Amino acid sequence: AQSVTQLGSHVSVSEGALVLLRCNYSSSVPPYLFWYVQYPNQGLQLLLKYTTGATLVKGINGFEAEFKKSETSFHLTKPSAHMSDAAEYFCAVTKQTSSASKIIFGSGTRLSIRP
Amino acid sequence: GAGVSQSPSNKVTEKGKDVELRCDPISGHTALYWYRQSLGQGLEFLIYFQGNSAPDKSGLPSDRFSAERTGGSVSTLTIQRTQQEDSAVYLCASSLRQQYAYEQYFGPGTRLTVT
Repeated sequence: AQSVTQLGSHVSVSEGALVLLRCNYSSSVPPYLFWYVQYPNQGLQLLLKYTTGATLVKGINGFEAEFKKSETSFHLTKPSAHMSDAAEYFCAVTKQTSSASKIIFGSGTRLSIRP
Repeated sequence: GAGVSQSPSNKVTEKGKDVELRCDPISGHTALYWYRQSLGQGLEFLIYFQGNSAPDKSGLPSDRFSAERTGGSVSTLTIQRTQQEDSAVYLCASSLRQQYAYEQYFGPGTRLTVT
């Protein structure tokens, strides 16, 4: 079975500050890991993904995440927050097999940016 | 089309009525997924289709929920005898094939309110 835990349902940072959204996963098989972003009244948009290869992955809008197998973590970071980053962020996991059929999502972290 | 579309965008219905939610995937995408997003919770997987077949219906919460897909394109999620706990945003996603489940593209969702 696979699962994802996002630590903190709400994170607030100042504009220009570091953004750190935490995600830990559980998987009995090698995982694929993702971060999705959901802006108000919009659908989910893929921010970045880890499949195989380099453990530090870069996504859109200056975000990046590092897959740490030893810590079963896939935390999302951005060096300097922008007001437009305010949104809901979801960490997700699926199996690293050709039969992967569904993505398991975390409960989400709402990111607020203070002026 | 250019993206995944869903209709209606908003639906208010009385308890006990049936509702139909529609999803139009990206042209050429053979896999289609339905999720439910309840207030304060993450995304809950409901069902996915590969072509017109639904190999995984494990997420449907009760027998009041059903879904079909015809012509390998449009899908309809039907909720019979709606209950207040069915109120949520229903999201649809599509991917090129089942094996590319991680490359899911989401629609804007249908917000269902059961009064």
